[in-house]
Amino acid sequence: EAQVTQNPRYLITVTGKKLTVTCSQNMNHEYMSWYRQDPGLGLRQIYYSMNVEVTDKGDVPEGYKVSRKEKRNFPLILESPSPNQTSLYFCASIPFGHTEAFFGQGTRLTVV
Amino acid sequence: KNQVEQSPQSLIILEGKNCTLQCNYTVSPFSNLRWYKQDTGRGPVSLTIMTFSENTKSNGRYTATLDADTKQSSLHITASQLSDSASYICVVSAQNDYKLSFGAGTTVTVRA
Repeated sequence: EAQVTQNPRYLITVTGKKLTVTCSQNMNHEYMSWYRQDPGLGLRQIYYSMNVEVTDKGDVPEGYKVSRKEKRNFPLILESPSPNQTSLYFCASIPFGHTEAFFGQGTRLTVV
Repeated sequence: KNQVEQSPQSLIILEGKNCTLQCNYTVSPFSNLRWYKQDTGRGPVSLTIMTFSENTKSNGRYTATLDADTKQSSLHITASQLSDSASYICVVSAQNDYKLSFGAGTTVTVRA
């Protein structure tokens, strides 16, 4: 089944404790992106990647890192999480030449 | 700055009734507009895509319209069902750009 898989689905952590949210897609899509979704603000782009070893900042990149060592994986790293990073996070991929985004199931992160 | 605005923010309707959601955008140069449905706790899924030359497109009980001159789109839900309860997100793409512009969404609640 074609899909984007995120892990974990739910995570509660403490301020300052490094964490990684994984994202993997099995559709061979070049473009991948991370978003955070907050009430009333909609989806905002954190980082994106056009292809392997090519990443760039989105609209709200502060406090986040990403890597794209393989085409299928695009992990989101929070080196020192803070409470304002409590949010619902989505990973998405888009096939080359198209505009339909395929989203993962989401990761609900709480930083206390 | 490319913007997408949706209205209303939320609405409640009785099962079997119709409703219409609105989307205004300023994205330029325009490529296409998609409506996504996001069930609670899930990632958004594309319902329909509208390109510049299309005025109306249906997907079952969902009908989307596009007025490219006024930069407005609507999503009409006919004979609503309980399963239509979800958030509906308007997403606009610019030409030659993978970056997506998201509306904040309209939350629809269908009651029996």
